[in-house]
Amino acid sequence: AQSVTQLDSQVPVFEEAPVELRCNYSSSVSVYLFWYVQYPNQGLQLLLKYLSGSTLVKGINGFEAEFNKSQTSFHLRKPSVHISDTAEYFCAAYGSSNTGKLIFGQGTTLQVKP
Amino acid sequence: SQTIHQWPATLVQPVGSPLSLECTVEGTSNPNLYWYRQAAGRGLQLLFYSVGIGQISSEVPQNLSASRPQDRQFILSSKKLLLSDSGFYLCAWSKVLEAFFGQGTRLTVV
Repeated sequence: AQSVTQLDSQVPVFEEAPVELRCNYSSSVSVYLFWYVQYPNQGLQLLLKYLSGSTLVKGINGFEAEFNKSQTSFHLRKPSVHISDTAEYFCAAYGSSNTGKLIFGQGTTLQVKP
Repeated sequence: SQTIHQWPATLVQPVGSPLSLECTVEGTSNPNLYWYRQAAGRGLQLLFYSVGIGQISSEVPQNLSASRPQDRQFILSSKKLLLSDSGFYLCAWSKVLEAFFGQGTRLTVV
């Protein structure tokens, strides 16, 4: 089945510490991969995307992600988080045989503590 | 530039009442359109998507339906709401892979 799995539902971290949010995808989805961020009661905003080329992708707000084909992972990282990074983060991919179907992981709530 | 409009922002409806949520996109043509529902602690669930006028794919059997009467209009409907239909509904569009989201509708069924 097509799936995107986010391994952590909540990640608490102190301000200025590094963070990694994990995402694994099934082999039945495409390798068009995305990370979105959602602030409370708002829509989703694109952080970064991997379509092809370099496996290290840099996005907005200092985030980056690395595409790892052998481990079917696309983990999101930030070397030093801020209070304002507190939000919900979603990993997403298109179905491999159907690029009209965009599926999301379950989401990870990043809680940055002072 | 492209924009997406979704309304209303909040809605409180009694059980058994009908529902109609509308989403329109401006500044692009023939986009893929999506309806998602976000329930507390359950992530983002794809409900329907459409790759063209009148073409609707349903992902989850449920009490809802979707229609695409025009190229840039996507409507989510129900004839009779259930308590379990409460949640945060998001409309999105995509073209050339990247997706853009509306601000969402908070639906509370009472």
